[in-house]
Amino acid sequence: DVKVTQSSRYLVKRTGEKVFLECVQDMDHENMFWYRQDPGLGLRLIYFSYDVKMKEKGDIPEGYSVSREKKERFSLILESASTNQTSMYLCASRSPNEKLFFGSGTQLSVL
Amino acid sequence: AQSVTQLGSHVSVSEGALVLLRCNYSSSVPPYLFWYVQYPNQGLQLLLKYTSAATLVKGINGFEAEFKKSETSFHLTKPSAHMSDAAEYFCAVSRTGANNLFFGTGTRLTVIP
Repeated sequence: DVKVTQSSRYLVKRTGEKVFLECVQDMDHENMFWYRQDPGLGLRLIYFSYDVKMKEKGDIPEGYSVSREKKERFSLILESASTNQTSMYLCASRSPNEKLFFGSGTQLSVL
Repeated sequence: AQSVTQLGSHVSVSEGALVLLRCNYSSSVPPYLFWYVQYPNQGLQLLLKYTSAATLVKGINGFEAEFKKSETSFHLTKPSAHMSDAAEYFCAVSRTGANNLFFGTGTRLTVIP
């Protein structure tokens, strides 16, 4: 089975801190994604990457950046965390037959 | 443009009753359609996928969905609800070769004993 691992299940940060969310997949997938999940809004795409060092903005990229230095790892960076970035963050990788495999999520609280 | 609408943010059914979760899509091209399930404190798992082969798609855990082009719908059903089906369900749409899936806002299913 594909495994997508997010490094932290819960994270509490202060406003203005730089935050790194890490995601690793073990199936050599080219495509990886970062979503945030908020009640009543479903999942919204922040950024995705289709290859090492390649990235594209999703629907809500403001306040975020990403890094993909190795194929298996896709990092989401909050340059200066704000309270409106309190959310559940979900990482996913996509197989060649278009199936998304999700990590367990990171619940980020920004105080 | 692609989008999905899930009717009903909360659905409650009795154990053993029919489960029906509604999803309508809009897409300018033939879509790929998906249902994902999220159990408490977990990420999303794929339940089933429609890719223009058969209009009735069978998924895991006894779920199935029917693609109806005339109604632009892809409703999820299960004949008999089980307590373990309690979760949040998301419908999603994409087009062939696209990098993005567009998710609905989710429907939380409660199963009453």
